[in-house]
Amino acid sequence: DQQVKQNSPSLSVQEGRISILNCDYTNSMFDYFLWYKKYPAEGPTFLISISSIKDKNEDGRFTVFLNKSAKHLSLHIVPSQPGDSAVYFCAASFSGTYKYIFGTGTRLKVLA
Amino acid sequence: GAVVSQHPSRVICKSGTSVKIECRSLDFQATTMFWYRQFPKQSLMLMATSNEGSKATYEQGVEKDKFLINHASLTLSTLTVTSAHPEDSSFYICSCQVEDTQYFGPGTRLTVL
Repeated sequence: DQQVKQNSPSLSVQEGRISILNCDYTNSMFDYFLWYKKYPAEGPTFLISISSIKDKNEDGRFTVFLNKSAKHLSLHIVPSQPGDSAVYFCAASFSGTYKYIFGTGTRLKVLA
Repeated sequence: GAVVSQHPSRVICKSGTSVKIECRSLDFQATTMFWYRQFPKQSLMLMATSNEGSKATYEQGVEKDKFLINHASLTLSTLTVTSAHPEDSSFYICSCQVEDTQYFGPGTRLTVL
């Protein structure tokens, strides 16, 4: 049973435009969410996180939105750059456990 | 962010041998470390949670006698894949907990022939 889902395995976006990556979860008890970026044969790199008490968190070009009623979060990258091309994983956890449940990933390709 | 290293970055071994992978936190102390496995085009699957000075907590379906974890210090955790078989070939990644965020190592590619 996949508790965290990323339904789009891949996404292509033109350089300079907005990239929107989506993530859905099934367990309403999750209260902390994160996005990681991963290049092939490397470990994931932390991008941004959000607590369930918020509905938006912004850090530079990256913004994460959380819709608790829909059990949905999204990552917006504006403007997209070719260096953003990677696989993006969302993760969810229960506060206090620190155990992450990862989604299946979305491969983003930013076209120059 | 916190820097986490893994060694080796890749290893090829014969079936039946044991392989040790090290995970180190370079500029901080990590009470809790995690070990993940990622098969091609799949998500990262948590194998176990490693706490310094105590036994690791394994996820359901992960054999603790096959994947030995030792967290002997606040900067080092090791994963030993015992009697490795080809189906153990995978990408193994560790992470260290810093407040609410996990920081990941670069991963180790294990290939068992």
